[in-house]
Amino acid sequence: KAGVTQTPRYLIKTRGQQVTLSCSPISGHRSVSWYQQTPGQGLQFLFEYFSETQRNKGNFPGRFSGRQFSNSRSEMNVSTLELGDSALYLCASSSIGGPSDEQFFGPGTRLTVL
Amino acid sequence: AQSVTQLGSHVSVSEGALVLLRCNYSSSVPPYLFWYVQYPNQGLQLLLKYTTGATLVKGINGFEAEFKKSETSFHLTKPSAHMSDAAEYFCAVSRSGYSTLTFGKGTMLLVSP
Repeated sequence: KAGVTQTPRYLIKTRGQQVTLSCSPISGHRSVSWYQQTPGQGLQFLFEYFSETQRNKGNFPGRFSGRQFSNSRSEMNVSTLELGDSALYLCASSSIGGPSDEQFFGPGTRLTVL
Repeated sequence: AQSVTQLGSHVSVSEGALVLLRCNYSSSVPPYLFWYVQYPNQGLQLLLKYTTGATLVKGINGFEAEFKKSETSFHLTKPSAHMSDAAEYFCAVSRSGYSTLTFGKGTMLLVSP
C-alpha cells in the first residue's frame, strides 16, 4: 500500500506570494491533518479534514486555509507569505481520525520564504 | 489544555547502552499517548502508542514505554542502542473525541560507536 505523498517536496517563494501544497493520503483513509514544523515552535497542528469537512483547527491566522476533495486528497494554501512561514509542512492521514488512530505522515513539503 | 514536556533536547549514548527518553504530559482527561521517530528529511513514523489496558507498551525496533498515571509520564526506553537509532523522537498526546496530536519539542538521540 502506497504511503502518504506530498507535493512538491521543496518550494521557494518570496514574501507576499501565496502557495498551495498538496497531500494524497493512504488509500481508504478519510482523515487528513496538517502540521507545521519549525525549529523554534516545533510541531504545531494546523487543521484536520474528514469527508471534505474541516473538523478541527489549530491556532493559526486566516492566511492558512485548506480543503479536502471527495477522493480524500487535501490541499493547504497560505496567502500573503511571511518570512515566519518558512517551515516543513507535514500531512498525516488516518482511517477515521479517531484519537487513538495511528496517523501516517508524509515526507513533508519544505517551504522557504525569502 | 494538553501539553507535553520532553526533558532534554539532546541525549547522547554509546552503542549498546540503555536509551531513556523522558516524556511528561498534562491532560485534564485520560490521554492517548504516542512516540514518533523522525529521520532526517523524512516524515514521522509511529514507534508505539498507549490507549488503554496494559501500561507497558512494546513498539517497533525494540522500543518500549510505560504509562505511569501517578507520575503523568510516558518514558521511552530501549535496552541496547544501535547506530541506526540516531534520530529525533517526539512524544505526543491526543484525547478522547479529538484526533489532534499535541507534540513535545522533541529529543535528538545521538549514538556514538
